[in-house]
Amino acid sequence: AQSVAQPEDQVNVAERNPLTVKCTYSVSGNPYLFWYVQYPNRGLQFLLKYITGDNLVKGSYGFEAEFNKSQTSFHLKKPSALVSDSALYFCAVRDRGDSWGKLQFGAGTQVVVTP
Amino acid sequence: NAGVTQTPKFQVLKTGQSMTLQCAQDMNHEYMSWYRQDPGMGLRLIHYSVGAGITDQGEVPNGYNVSRSTTEDFPLRLLSAAPSQTSVYFCASRQGPQETQYFGPGTRLLVL
Repeated sequence: AQSVAQPEDQVNVAERNPLTVKCTYSVSGNPYLFWYVQYPNRGLQFLLKYITGDNLVKGSYGFEAEFNKSQTSFHLKKPSALVSDSALYFCAVRDRGDSWGKLQFGAGTQVVVTP
Repeated sequence: NAGVTQTPKFQVLKTGQSMTLQCAQDMNHEYMSWYRQDPGMGLRLIHYSVGAGITDQGEVPNGYNVSRSTTEDFPLRLLSAAPSQTSVYFCASRQGPQETQYFGPGTRLLVL
């Protein structure tokens, strides 16, 4: 069975400060890892993914994430947050050994960036 | 290229009524899924399909049916609506197991 934990319900950060959204995962095999963002009353938008290779993954809107296999983590980061980054962020994991490729989501972390 | 589309955007049902949530994609994706989103619970998988004629249950399938007669369409049927099915429903599609999953805009359902 696979699972994802996002330990913070909400992250508050001042504009232009660094932003980190935490994610840890559990899979029986090796993971594919994803980050999505949801703006109010909208669907989920893809930010970035880790499939293989370099542990540091760069994605849309200046976001990046680092895959840490020993800590089973995939934290999302942005060096300088914008007010427009305020949204709901979801981490998701898929087990490479799952032939059907089901995606398991975390509960989400609300990011609030204040001016 | 419209991506993943869902209709309706919003629906109010009475307990016991049935309805179908429509989902279509024009990217020729084999994999399609239905999720429900509830506050504090993230997205939970209801049903999924890996191709026309092939469907399976996800994490929370009770009260829902699906079928996949074409690659493009993946409707979700509520057999007898209950207040517990009040939620936001998202349809998603992707090409393969390693690929990015794309989401529709969602259907907000209220069951009274």
